[in-house]
Amino acid sequence: EVQLVESGGGLVQPGGSLRLSCAASGFTFIYYEMSWVRQAPGRGLEWVSYIGSSGFTIYYADSVKGRFTISRDNAKNSLYLQMNSLRAEDTAVYYCARTRGRTGWYFDYWGQGTLVTVSS
Amino acid sequence: QTVVTQEPSFSVSPGGTVTLTCGLSSGSVSTSYYPSWYQQTPGQAPRTLIYSTNTRSSGVPDRFSGSILGNKAALTITGAQADDESDYYCVLYVGSGLWVFGGGTRLTVL
Repeated sequence: EVQLVESGGGLVQPGGSLRLSCAASGFTFIYYEMSWVRQAPGRGLEWVSYIGSSGFTIYYADSVKGRFTISRDNAKNSLYLQMNSLRAEDTAVYYCARTRGRTGWYFDYWGQGTLVTVSS
Repeated sequence: QTVVTQEPSFSVSPGGTVTLTCGLSSGSVSTSYYPSWYQQTPGQAPRTLIYSTNTRSSGVPDRFSGSILGNKAALTITGAQADDESDYYCVLYVGSGLWVFGGGTRLTVL
């Protein structure tokens, strides 16, 4: 069974940093691309970042470019999101999602999410 | 800037059929955007319904179907059930590793 479990969320002050993790199991992590998708309270879904299976191909939404860094450790079956210079508008539930690239460009499995709150 | 449009809300009677759409503020949606659809109930993670326009994800009942209607992607639910009451999101792949979600449609079954 595919499982994605996010952790690392919490309360942080504006301008602060936070590192999210996503532990993957139930599939061969090294074969799959991954993404982060977020959802602000009461709002819709927003794609944040993508990383290829090897970690060399990386993309970001304009809203986080230059502030967030996606990475992965295939030996640990883990995905990460380093978030710096956090703003109030980054407050959201952050989901990691297994991503199918050239086989359809979609997200096939989702974690339960971790809440990030940016507030003083 | 690419803006993906969805109806903010829709209602359907139990047993009825409803079609939700996913458009672009400028231009037409085609299969080249690989439209996919996700269902989300409050407090839960999204669930993948449809990908690559019309392919059902594993375990999704066949009363959910995807298509291109005119210049939009569409999700049709046939024989709506009470537990279909959810938020539905489409997302388009706009190339270069970038995706854009629509604002979502809140479906009420009543």
